[in-house]
Amino acid sequence: EAGVTQSPTHLIKTRGQQVTLRCSPISGHTSVYWYQQALGLGLQFLLWYDEGEERNRGNFPPRFSGRQFPNYSSELNVNALELEDSALYLCASSRRGTSGVTDTQYFGPGTRLTVL
Amino acid sequence: AQKITQTQPGMFVQEKEAVTLDCTYDTSDPSYGLFWYKQPSSGEMIFLIYQGSYDQQNATEGRYSLNFQKARKSANLVISASQLGDSAMYFCAMRELGSARQLTFGSGTQLTVLP
Repeated sequence: EAGVTQSPTHLIKTRGQQVTLRCSPISGHTSVYWYQQALGLGLQFLLWYDEGEERNRGNFPPRFSGRQFPNYSSELNVNALELEDSALYLCASSRRGTSGVTDTQYFGPGTRLTVL
Repeated sequence: AQKITQTQPGMFVQEKEAVTLDCTYDTSDPSYGLFWYKQPSSGEMIFLIYQGSYDQQNATEGRYSLNFQKARKSANLVISASQLGDSAMYFCAMRELGSARQLTFGSGTQLTVLP
């Protein structure tokens, strides 16, 4: 079974630009999550998508946005990039479970974004 | 207050020995799940083990076991018979029923296995 895939692997942008990161979940998983892992800040929850809808959002400004497609893949868009957006962006997926605490999130390899 | 606390920034263990990585958590939600992930230098987060707040038994997965002490709000990961490939960052994470699927992570413990 293929795992979560993310593209691109690495990305270099300049301040003020826009970037789109992509994620394909494990087959059969309907939920996609995005996390940011910035140096010194640890892993922080960004967004949760399920069945094409944004279900939950972390404490990030509106320039972080995304969407989920009918095939459950997802995009994360970051507008007006700032230096502090430099981070590893991790995507995870899970099944639609009956209990919100048991659904294990499986992560992809991440996209490393550098903002100059 | 920190929801997940990992007090060991770095740990060393000799190959083939067992090691315990500490994790304490803070929640008022009666229903929650605790997860451990491994992050090698490549960056990918690898799921290791899960413990539910209502589970009566400690979780085990191969060489990994979770020492769950609910009253003390601790969920320590025990790795038996350490291998060189176990060298990585280890994160404890929690999801509360009321958190809308959001995982909250600790700051991690960097484990180095010595030959």
